Amino acid sequence: QKEVEQNSGPLSVPEGAIASLNCTYSDRGSQSFFWYRQYSGKSPELIMSIYSNGDKEDGRFTAQLNKASQYVSLLIRDSQPSDSATYLCAVFEGGGSYIPTFGRGTSLIVHP
Amino acid sequence: DTAVSQTPKYLVTQMGNDKSIKCEQNLGHDTMYWYKQDSKKFLKIMFSYNNKELIINETVPNRFSPKSPDKAHLNLHINSLELGDSAVYFCASSQEVLNTQYFGPGTRLTVL
Repeated sequence: QKEVEQNSGPLSVPEGAIASLNCTYSDRGSQSFFWYRQYSGKSPELIMSIYSNGDKEDGRFTAQLNKASQYVSLLIRDSQPSDSATYLCAVFEGGGSYIPTFGRGTSLIVHP
Repeated sequence: DTAVSQTPKYLVTQMGNDKSIKCEQNLGHDTMYWYKQDSKKFLKIMFSYNNKELIINETVPNRFSPKSPDKAHLNLHINSLELGDSAVYFCASSQEVLNTQYFGPGTRLTVL
């Protein structure tokens, strides 16, 4: 199984700041990329999906994908204390294997 | 109107016992998954079914056996439970492979 790497954090940002979360992956043939948010004791929930190079914006969230450099990032603008959670990067391997690999997650703390 | 449901939510049992976890989705999705999330929060794929056909079978002890009676259900049976099986098990579904996954609430398994 291929690897998906994330900085475990915690990443601490003040309320209103931009939080930047990064993820690198090893399988150059990977096709689908996702960011999930997981609150403590809860299940992962989708934040963003991205399939092609470039930026994708949804409200305060922007996902960025660079397949040549094999990284995907998530920017959270105007961070709120309610954004405090673990953010999981997920990548589907290529080559027809359809195996989803999750990173270990980055813990984000937004302090008032 | 829960999208992906799992039962039971908590499961406490003795080593050596056999137990099952049930999962149901009412989203009309074709693909379902089982994940294990350990104490360090690492989410790892175990199995995936697409249209009742097993398509992912990761390195999992053969004490674990998934069963998909129909597209809406994916159950997980575990024989001869061991201490190391203690974890949170998540079921998820997606419209098809490579798509966004929707997670159930999780089943916290504790083996004593």
